[in-house]
Amino acid sequence: GESVGLHLPTLSVQEGDNSIINCAYSNSASDYFIWYKQESGKGPQFIIDIRSNMDKRQGQRVTVLLNKTVKHLSLQIAATQPGDSAVYFCAEFTSGTYKYIFGTGTRLKVLA
Amino acid sequence: GAVVSQHPSWVICKSGTSVKIECRSLDFQATTMFWYRQFPKQSLMLMATSNEGSKATYEQGVEKDKFLINHASLTLSTLTVTSAHPEDSSFYICSAITGLAGGSHYEQYFGPGTRLTVT
Repeated sequence: GESVGLHLPTLSVQEGDNSIINCAYSNSASDYFIWYKQESGKGPQFIIDIRSNMDKRQGQRVTVLLNKTVKHLSLQIAATQPGDSAVYFCAEFTSGTYKYIFGTGTRLKVLA
Repeated sequence: GAVVSQHPSWVICKSGTSVKIECRSLDFQATTMFWYRQFPKQSLMLMATSNEGSKATYEQGVEKDKFLINHASLTLSTLTVTSAHPEDSSFYICSAITGLAGGSHYEQYFGPGTRLTVT
């Protein structure tokens, strides 16, 4: 289930189940949306991105969905594995300002 | 894949001293580097955008005289925290991108971060 921690919401899923991590973004002018995975004490790693003129993009075991009407982005991870445990951040890139703005983040815990 | 390194990976310094953090793109030339700050259990906060050969652009609320950024080459940017205080203790992360400025999104490659503790 989902719960809100001190600062980061946490999503706990059973190993093998699918995970859905959500993100609300703020700038309707953003051109790209990116999902990053950050393990403890490390820098973020790129997972997948999606252009603003698309609504779905698939990668290996991951799918990103974009709903511009409600400014919502989601990351779906199929068959979640213990190695998927990490904090996941969405980020939006705006070519006008040429910078990336990160969302709050969600901690994913995979239960064995 | 593209690799970005940071040095040091962690540093402890006394209040009032200055600390320099290096960010290097190891196998590509980075036209733009970003510096982020991350507090525990929080997201990354953009501090500044650094373009090679020009002055860094700082985000609102970030003191440019306190956080000195130098981007002297296409593979190296440095962040110097001057007169550090305990509230500057944080995880500092750099990233690098390459490609044309403006108009397109290019994959952002992150360094491993530097943990700064000011005592």
